[in-house]
Amino acid sequence: DTAVSQTPKYLVTQMGNDKSIKCEQNLGHDTMYWYKQDSKKFLKIMFSYNNKELIINETVPNRFSPKSPDKAHLNLHINSLELGDSAVYFCASSHLGGDTEAFFGQGTRLTVV
Amino acid sequence: ILNVEQSPQSLHVQEGDSTNFTCSFPSSNFYALHWYRWETAKSPEALFVMTLNGDEKKKGRISATLNTKEGYSYLYIKGSQPEDSATYLCALTSNSGYALNFGKGTSLLVTP
Repeated sequence: DTAVSQTPKYLVTQMGNDKSIKCEQNLGHDTMYWYKQDSKKFLKIMFSYNNKELIINETVPNRFSPKSPDKAHLNLHINSLELGDSAVYFCASSHLGGDTEAFFGQGTRLTVV
Repeated sequence: ILNVEQSPQSLHVQEGDSTNFTCSFPSSNFYALHWYRWETAKSPEALFVMTLNGDEKKKGRISATLNTKEGYSYLYIKGSQPEDSATYLCALTSNSGYALNFGKGTSLLVTP
């Protein structure tokens, strides 16, 4: 059983489109995250979310929005895609608190053409 | 975003060598220090989480130490094996949030 699963694994789309990446975890965690891996392989937090609080990295454009239908899912919606959005996006989850290990999905490689 | 620095950026050792990497971080608002192992084409996997000054953790041939007062952590690998080849990421969580603030990683290559 995959603990944190993301779909799709690869996504190629044109500039200006709106797309979503789905993330699901079956670990019973109450906090989920989205990270972006830039061209230099640097992992940068975009959002962290539990059922009470959404924390947004202020550098993330408002074209990006997380949507959580329930505790086990945190989907990433991206509007009006730009070339610079091309990257690998990782979903992760953990128990509440900064001293618990996070489990990562396998990543979604987004290419905007 | 917290500034987490890792050194060296990359390292190439021979099988059997022991090696270590450094992670430095701001000691104010410290909550926890994490080490992750990230193999190519896979997801990052947690190695250790440390919270207390002086903490030492060990998993097989890999161990880590933590100094929160001076803001650094070391990761040690004893008797490196080719399967240890990966990027080792250090990450910090602070009192103001749960998200991991990653360093840029140390890329380790172990050759037979």
